[in-house]
Amino acid sequence: DQQVKQNSPSLSVQEGRISILNCDYTNSMFDYFLWYKKYPAEGPTFLISISSIKDKNEDGRFTVFLNKSAKHLSLHIVPSQPGDSAVYFCAASAQQGAQKLVFGQGTRLTINP
Amino acid sequence: NAGVMQNPRHLVRRRGQEARLRCSPMKGHSHVYWYRQLPEEGLKFMVYLQKENIIDESGMPKERFSAEFPKEGPSILRIQQVVRGDSAAYFCASSRGLSGNTIYFGEGSWLTVV
Repeated sequence: DQQVKQNSPSLSVQEGRISILNCDYTNSMFDYFLWYKKYPAEGPTFLISISSIKDKNEDGRFTVFLNKSAKHLSLHIVPSQPGDSAVYFCAASAQQGAQKLVFGQGTRLTINP
Repeated sequence: NAGVMQNPRHLVRRRGQEARLRCSPMKGHSHVYWYRQLPEEGLKFMVYLQKENIIDESGMPKERFSAEFPKEGPSILRIQQVVRGDSAAYFCASSRGLSGNTIYFGEGSWLTVV
């Protein structure tokens, strides 16, 4: 039972353009969402989070949008840079905090020069 | 990632041996989490500990796996009598507290069972 789904295993974007990574969830009890970036052989690095009381959170080049009615969130990266090439995981929690996260399968983002 | 220290980074064990993975949380963090990532999958929650207490172990396999976070020293994830299916990346994370806090991951320990 995959409660958090990232349906695109991979995404290729031109440098300077916008990257949009999508994530869907099924559990309506989830109230806190995070995005992590992961390079090979390293641990996930926290990027940005959003509480269910908001529909948008922005931090520099990264913006997360949350659509509760659709149970959908997305991460926008603009402008995309070569260093953004990595695997991106969305994660969700039902405990108003970051403990016991449920992760999606990840999307491999490649930024082409 | 900076601050959460895991060792060993790579561990090879024969079937039936024991594996011990260690995790030192970031300075000032008293909450530790263990996650496992199987090949081509996302991370799966295993256990959440505070000092000397297991808070939530709902993701731990019922047998052979145990975790502790003693008053002094690192958190330890112990896998007894390892099998090939235990081969995975094991990630530790830590946080300062509960609600609204982000957890920060270490670089992982890669266990290979041969």
